Amino acid sequence: DVKVTQSSRYLVKRTGEKVFLECVQDMDHENMFWYRQDPGLGLRLIYFSYDVKMKEKGDIPEGYSVSREKKERFSLILESASTNQTSMYLCASSWGLPGAAESYEQYFGPGTRLTVT
Amino acid sequence: GQQVMQIPQYQHVQEGEDFTTYCNSSTTLSNIQWYKQRPGGHPVFLIQLVKSGEVKKQKRLTFQFGEAKKNSSLHITATQTTDVGTYFCAGPTSGTYKYIFGTGTRLKVLA
Repeated sequence: DVKVTQSSRYLVKRTGEKVFLECVQDMDHENMFWYRQDPGLGLRLIYFSYDVKMKEKGDIPEGYSVSREKKERFSLILESASTNQTSMYLCASSWGLPGAAESYEQYFGPGTRLTVT
Repeated sequence: GQQVMQIPQYQHVQEGEDFTTYCNSSTTLSNIQWYKQRPGGHPVFLIQLVKSGEVKKQKRLTFQFGEAKKNSSLHITATQTTDVGTYFCAGPTSGTYKYIFGTGTRLKVLA
């Protein structure tokens, strides 16, 4: 079974802190994604990566950065946490090669509920 | 930019009633995926539709992709309490692996 794990289920941080959310997948997937989920807004893509050291901005990248030094690990960084970044953060991974016509299902981790006070 | 809208946002049904959620994209999609998220859980892939007019069934669930490949629907026949959750559709941004998720339909089934 594909497994996507996230470093924490719940996290409480103070405004201005630097926050690291880590995601690890064990299926050798090329693609990894970070989403945030807010009531009524669905899942919104923050960043995604299609290869080691490669990244692309999603729809709401402001205030976030990412790092992918190894294929299995994708980190989301909040440089200076703010209260409007309180949310559920979901990591996902999928197969896929750049330029390929097929799309593949995304496997999601359990999520990290981040509260910034 | 590309948008994927879902209606309704919420639906409460009595157990045994049917349920349908609709997904509409502002652009033509190469394919569409459906996910289910149980309360307190994470989204889990249900199905992918690729062809215009395609219809696929999974037991009591019927998925349809519109002829113009801009809309899709999920129909559940005779809902059960195990169907409770939020159903999301997701469509790809052309030429990338970025998927735009719909806002989701939250289904509550009353026993």
